[in-house]
Amino acid sequence: ELKVEQNPLFLSMQEGKNYTIYCNYSTTSDRLYWYRQDPGKSLESLFVLLSNGAVKQEGRLMASLDTKARLSTLHITAAVHDLSATYFCAPYGGRADGLTFGKGTHLIIQP
Amino acid sequence: DADVTQTPRNRITKTGKRIMLECSQTKGHDRMYWYRQDPGLGLRLIYYSFDVKDINKGEISDGYSVSRQAQAKFSLSLESAIPNQTALYFCATSGSSNQPQHFGDGTRLSIL
Repeated sequence: ELKVEQNPLFLSMQEGKNYTIYCNYSTTSDRLYWYRQDPGKSLESLFVLLSNGAVKQEGRLMASLDTKARLSTLHITAAVHDLSATYFCAPYGGRADGLTFGKGTHLIIQP
Repeated sequence: DADVTQTPRNRITKTGKRIMLECSQTKGHDRMYWYRQDPGLGLRLIYYSFDVKDINKGEISDGYSVSRQAQAKFSLSLESAIPNQTALYFCATSGSSNQPQHFGDGTRLSIL
């Protein structure tokens, strides 16, 4: 059974700081997705990582995937308030042919 | 117009009632999914469908059923609702396993 662990689950940080969210998963998966969810809203796709060593960047966010270590990271550079949201990682696979989501990292960025 | 439309957006009902949540999409995707979201638990897959004749159980299908009426429509039913089915329900679609899933706005369901 594919299990997904995100760390931390809650993060409060100041604007301008850097931080990394970690996503560990328990069984082999060759692709992984990151999503963002604002309070009361739907999920928005951020990154699609389709191979070992894949790195994607969009603005202040950068995601990477190490399939051998079963680890993905989401790095935030010089955080701004607008990045406050809950971030989910979702490796592909598991008991069903779909995505298995982590519990999410609730990120608050304070001025 | 939204690519993935869920109806209703909110629903309050009583224990034992039958409820249907509907999802329609204009993206032309074959793959459709139903998830539920509970605070602190992330999203859990209920059912998924790769085409009209291919429907599969997900992680937590007990107490739920689905119907894929057409490529564009995928409905989720709660035959006899119970309070622990109170949650936020999302429908999603994708074109393939290498593409991200696109989510609807969700249905907030409360069962009293």
